[in-house]
Amino acid sequence: GENVEQHPSTLSVQEGDSAVIKCTYSDSASNYFPWYKQELGKRPQLIIDIRSNVGEKKDQRIAVTLNKTAKHFSLHITETQPEDSAVYFCAASIVAAGNKLTFGGGTRVLVKP
Amino acid sequence: NAGVTQTPKFQVLKTGQSMTLQCAQDMNHEYMSWYRQDPGMGLRLIHYSVGAGITDQGEVPNGYNVSRSTTEDFPLRLLSAAPSQTSVYFCASSGVSGNTIYFGEGSWLTVV
Repeated sequence: GENVEQHPSTLSVQEGDSAVIKCTYSDSASNYFPWYKQELGKRPQLIIDIRSNVGEKKDQRIAVTLNKTAKHFSLHITETQPEDSAVYFCAASIVAAGNKLTFGGGTRVLVKP
Repeated sequence: NAGVTQTPKFQVLKTGQSMTLQCAQDMNHEYMSWYRQDPGMGLRLIHYSVGAGITDQGEVPNGYNVSRSTTEDFPLRLLSAAPSQTSVYFCASSGVSGNTIYFGEGSWLTVV
């Protein structure tokens, strides 16, 4: 089955700096790659996603890049703010196979004011 | 449009007891799934369904049963609760044509 690895496990950045989280996946059939932000005691919240036919996607301060050949994808957050502090998860799925997600282990991001 | 609704939100069980976590969605989604999240970890797939009458196992299915008699509902049954099943459980749904996966608010289960 699919295996998703996520690095780093913790990330501390100064407010205004950029944060980058990287994930690798093992199943070349995976074609949907969402990123979730999870605050303590809350459900995962989708912040951005990308399909396998796209190499990059941007939404304001958040961008995701996908390299299908190398089977890795990354989340980039620019101009970080204290409210960006949370745990971020990457995931991969095959949409036509039930869209069931395999999650990475998570990255705890702390943005210091 | 309530989205994905899970009940109960909190539950304490004794070892050996059984219970059902309820999940309902009102978006006419074909795909539904159950995940568990242990402290400090990502979510892991327990069971999933691609439509009414069709279910299959995920990564960690042992100790759980599911059924999908209607499109809207996907209950998760704990057969004989064990302390190792103490976790937060999330139900999720999505349509076949859209990728977006909607999560319920979660159910906090403690087995003592």
